[in-house]
Amino acid sequence: DQQVKQNSPSLSVQEGRISILNCDYTNSMFDYFLWYKKYPAEGPTFLISISSIKDKNEDGRFTVFLNKSAKHLSLHIVPSQPGDSAVYFCAASVQGAQKLVFGQGTRLTINP
Amino acid sequence: DAMVIQNPRYQVTQFGKPVTLSCSQTLNHNVMYWYQQKSSQAPKLLFHYYDKDFNNEADTPDNFQSRRPNTSFCFLDIRSPGLGDAAMYLCATSRETSWPYNEQFFGPGTRLTVL
Repeated sequence: DQQVKQNSPSLSVQEGRISILNCDYTNSMFDYFLWYKKYPAEGPTFLISISSIKDKNEDGRFTVFLNKSAKHLSLHIVPSQPGDSAVYFCAASVQGAQKLVFGQGTRLTINP
Repeated sequence: DAMVIQNPRYQVTQFGKPVTLSCSQTLNHNVMYWYQQKSSQAPKLLFHYYDKDFNNEADTPDNFQSRRPNTSFCFLDIRSPGLGDAAMYLCATSRETSWPYNEQFFGPGTRLTVL
C-alpha cells in the first residue's frame, strides 16, 4: 500500500518557466512533508519542507503548497534552471516519529 | 565537509554469498538509517539505529541485518542475497528522530548487483 504517491514519473519544462511537481498521500496522520532532490550518483538532499499547520512554505525559487483536505502537496520551481534537472522525491512523516515514507520520485528535465 | 560516506559505491555479489555494505558519518548524528531503493520505486526504510538501539521495520526480511559498532559507522549485512535484493542501498543520518531535528542526510548509495 503506497501511502505517498508521485503519479508523474517524469516532467519536462522549458528553462525559465514554472515547474510543478505533485504528490498525493493517503495517511491522514502525516503532518510533516519534505521534498528531496537527487542528482545521478549522489544521495538525495533535502530541499524544502512544510508542516501541516501551514499551507505554503517558500524558499527562494522553491515553494511548497499543502492542501490537507485533498491530501495533496506540490512543489513549484520558478524560474526553472538547467541545474534543477534531477529526480525529486516527496516524503511524509508524523512529527515525533522517525520514519519517512517516500514517493517514487519524479524526474524533472529542464530544457534550454 | 561533514558528510555521509558509503563504501563501496558498487558491489557485485553472487547469489547466496553474504555481503556487507558500509556507511560512515562525520556529522556525529545519533540516528543512522538504511533504505532499499529498487529501480523506479520509492526508497523503503529497512531499519534504523538510535545510538545503539536497533529498530527494525516490521516487513524487513530476516535476511537483512545491521550492526553499529560506534557512532560513526553502520553496516548492512545481507546474509544470503537473492536476485530480488539487487537494488540501491541508501544510508542516512539525522540528529534526532523527532522534529525539528529529524532532517535526514543521505549518502550517495551503494548499488548492489546479485549474479
